[in-house]
Amino acid sequence: QKEVEQDPGPLSVPEGAIVSLNCTYSNSAFQYFMWYRQYSRKGPELLMYTYSSGNKEDGRFTAQVDKSSKYISLFIRDSQPSDSATYLCAPINTGNQFYFGTGTSLTVIP
Amino acid sequence: DAGVTQSPTHLIKTRGQQVTLRCSPKSGHDTVSWYQQALGQGPQFIFQYYEEEERQRGNFPDRFSGHQFPNYSSELNVNALLLGDSALYLCASSFPTAWDGYTFGSGTRLTVV
Repeated sequence: QKEVEQDPGPLSVPEGAIVSLNCTYSNSAFQYFMWYRQYSRKGPELLMYTYSSGNKEDGRFTAQVDKSSKYISLFIRDSQPSDSATYLCAPINTGNQFYFGTGTSLTVIP
Repeated sequence: DAGVTQSPTHLIKTRGQQVTLRCSPKSGHDTVSWYQQALGQGPQFIFQYYEEEERQRGNFPDRFSGHQFPNYSSELNVNALLLGDSALYLCASSFPTAWDGYTFGSGTRLTVV
């Protein structure tokens, strides 16, 4: 079983839609949960992170972690064409090692 | 404030050859991590360097080796290249425990033919 499983894409939505991106993980020792955004031909950039279970909101983005079910979600409200990218979830172990999901490719159609 | 810079941006090598990739960390960062990202996959952790020592290593063979210099810059070396080594190689810099300051470079695209 992989450490992190991420919903396969690609995902295509109209502008203004609410987007839900999801991951599951197997290691209960993970405590920090990161979301990275990666544009084509670029390195990943940190979008937001959460610690332990709960929600965290940052503008149009909400990250959610449910440690009891080992489930991670990222919600994007009022999606924009500029949100078109690949989104990677990445839990971190106690040694600060990142475990990336395979990524979900998102296209927001104007 | 310069971010993480990697060189070269693209590279084509022949199977069996050796390659060296370079990374300059973001100003102020002293920890460098290397990742391999195959097409359509997420980045896979290769190893991390801090204080010129390999601090952690992922599940990669000994053909993958690295080095960190006193100025915190780093090199990734891959020997006896295989076709399967073709990937985007990403360098990320940070402070040793400041995972929220993890900054990635744009990567080196390695193609092995």
